[in-house]
Amino acid sequence: ILNVEQSPQSLHVQEGDSTNFTCSFPSSNFYALHWYRWETAKSPEALFVMTLNGDEKKKGRISATLNTKEGYSYLYIKGSQPEDSATYLCAFKYNDMRFGAGTRLTVKP
Amino acid sequence: DVKVTQSSRYLVKRTGEKVFLECVQDMDHENMFWYRQDPGLGLRLIYFSYDVKMKEKGDIPEGYSVSREKKERFSLILESASTNQTSMYLCASSSRGIANEQFFGPGTRLTVL
Repeated sequence: ILNVEQSPQSLHVQEGDSTNFTCSFPSSNFYALHWYRWETAKSPEALFVMTLNGDEKKKGRISATLNTKEGYSYLYIKGSQPEDSATYLCAFKYNDMRFGAGTRLTVKP
Repeated sequence: DVKVTQSSRYLVKRTGEKVFLECVQDMDHENMFWYRQDPGLGLRLIYFSYDVKMKEKGDIPEGYSVSREKKERFSLILESASTNQTSMYLCASSSRGIANEQFFGPGTRLTVL
């Protein structure tokens, strides 16, 4: 069974705090690791797709790293803003896509 | 602007009814997917399709079937709806390639009474 684990399940931070969360996945048969952001009442949107060990991607205040040998990826948000409040999903690409349960981030003004 | 549309945002059906959820994408994507999302469980793959008339079972296909007669349309069918199929259903599409992101529809929240 290919499980994708995300932690923490939820996170409450103050505006301006930096935060990070973790995605763990099987380290064998790796193809790609995706991060999605899912705001309430909207569709999930892709943030990053990473394929190579050591990959680092950045989009504005959000960045992600990938370690395929040990099977984890970190997502970082620098200086969180209320508009960052969303559920962040990671997905492991094997034959199909296996999603984690997500980390629900709430940023308080 | 790329788009995946789903036929309904909210749907209420009765136990035993046959339910059709439709998904259409305008990006000429080969791959299409149906997921359900339940609290604490993330997105679970029901069925997917890599080509017209082709379908593959995902993790939880029991109680569901699919149809892909045209490239742009992927339908999810609940043959006889049950209360444990009350959920949020999301459709997604992607182009071929292992690193290609999926584009999601807005979701259909189905309640089976």
